[in-house]
Amino acid sequence: AQKITQTQPGMFVQEKEAVTLDCTYDTSDQSYGLFWYKQPSSGEMIFLIYQGSYDEQNATEGRYSLNFQKARKSANLVISASQLGDSAMYFCALPWGTSGSRLTFGEGTQLTVNP
Amino acid sequence: GAVVSQHPSRVICKSGTSVKIECRSLDFQATTMFWYRQFPKQSLMLMATSNEGSKATYEQGVEKDKFLINHASLTLSTLTVTSAHPEDSSFYICSWTHVTYGYTFGSGTRLTVV
Repeated sequence: AQKITQTQPGMFVQEKEAVTLDCTYDTSDQSYGLFWYKQPSSGEMIFLIYQGSYDEQNATEGRYSLNFQKARKSANLVISASQLGDSAMYFCALPWGTSGSRLTFGEGTQLTVNP
Repeated sequence: GAVVSQHPSRVICKSGTSVKIECRSLDFQATTMFWYRQFPKQSLMLMATSNEGSKATYEQGVEKDKFLINHASLTLSTLTVTSAHPEDSSFYICSWTHVTYGYTFGSGTRLTVV
């Protein structure tokens, strides 16, 4: 069974500083991918970044990067130079089911960026 | 990119009434669609999987007679919450999975039952 764990219900960071959001996972699949989504208070799910289990490099997308440690089964999201607009809920997600068609989400981390 | 339109974005209904939520893919067709529910401060939990032209598959603990899903075409799926009660108040969000576009989410519907 797939399992995603986010152990930080809430995180605070000062504007312009970097922050790391933790995510650990458990899967029996040999090949898998991990997603991070941002959910602002409006509720929409915004895709941030994806990491494939066989990708040799850690994924990066602008200010977002993944600290992927396969042996530890962790895929932490690093946000550099935090902005006030980064305040939101962040979810780590793991595909499962037929062809990985559905996602299982972690509990989420509420990030607050302080001015 | 893929665009999914979900309506309404917010609805308030009286206890005992039914509410229909629509989820439409605007620029792609996909046979499979997922409905998630999210209670305040919690994660998204998969409620059901719908396939065009066939019956939906519900996750354990989700009442299929209460949450009616109709997936009539490759671009439209609807979720009807029947005989809504305050405990059904939640955020409902649809998601399409496409081989090219990956996971695409609707903007969500915030349901409040009073």
